[in-house]
Amino acid sequence: GAGVSQTPSNKVTEKGKYVELRCDPISGHTALYWYRQSLGQGPEFLIYFQGTGAADDSGLPNDRFFAVRPEGSVSTLKIQRTERGDSAVYLCASSSGTSGSLGANVLTFGAGSRLTVL
Amino acid sequence: KQEVTQIPAALSVPEGENLVLNCSFTDSAIYNLQWFRQDPGKGLTSLLLIQSSQREQTSGRLNASLDKSSGRSTLYIAASQPGDSATYLCAVRGNYGQNFVFGPGTRLSVLP
Repeated sequence: GAGVSQTPSNKVTEKGKYVELRCDPISGHTALYWYRQSLGQGPEFLIYFQGTGAADDSGLPNDRFFAVRPEGSVSTLKIQRTERGDSAVYLCASSSGTSGSLGANVLTFGAGSRLTVL
Repeated sequence: KQEVTQIPAALSVPEGENLVLNCSFTDSAIYNLQWFRQDPGKGLTSLLLIQSSQREQTSGRLNASLDKSSGRSTLYIAASQPGDSATYLCAVRGNYGQNFVFGPGTRLSVLP
């Protein structure tokens, strides 16, 4: 697609429920990132995919959070047993690669999925 | 662990002024640094990317500089316009990882 698409744009759920957030990166981008942004703060790294594999998941806060990218394009961030502290905007970004040309490092972000846990 | 700070947290200027936004990072072993713009309720837009071997990058009225040894980058905006009003964030990528560490941002308001 022309840009990074994230769905849903808004999700309101109750504490304890399961949530899935979807990211559709730019076609051909091999690198995909998930970030979480709370109000008034910069994005906080969660996980990075290169192709189908999670190359760095050091930012996932605990085992309630999991992400997949089975075919190397669309990614899904899954949150189990949601807590009120999970409320934030979840941002997805993609880039064409990890090194080499300058453009390979330029991140293109989606508009984000705003998650509210009541 | 890399930490990124940005000063000031907020800035309000009249239209037409030149301004400088500051970004500091604690670990100078960086691969590159990016400046982003974020409009309210929107995602981030990449403005400029500076590789660790570069000193500056320019795009239109924007100029970003990098002093890796002192752990600093500045974003210079010339002849500011009301449309420049947004939050500006810097992010650094280290030599040994693929993730970018973001600063908290500077919220800029350019008054007509």
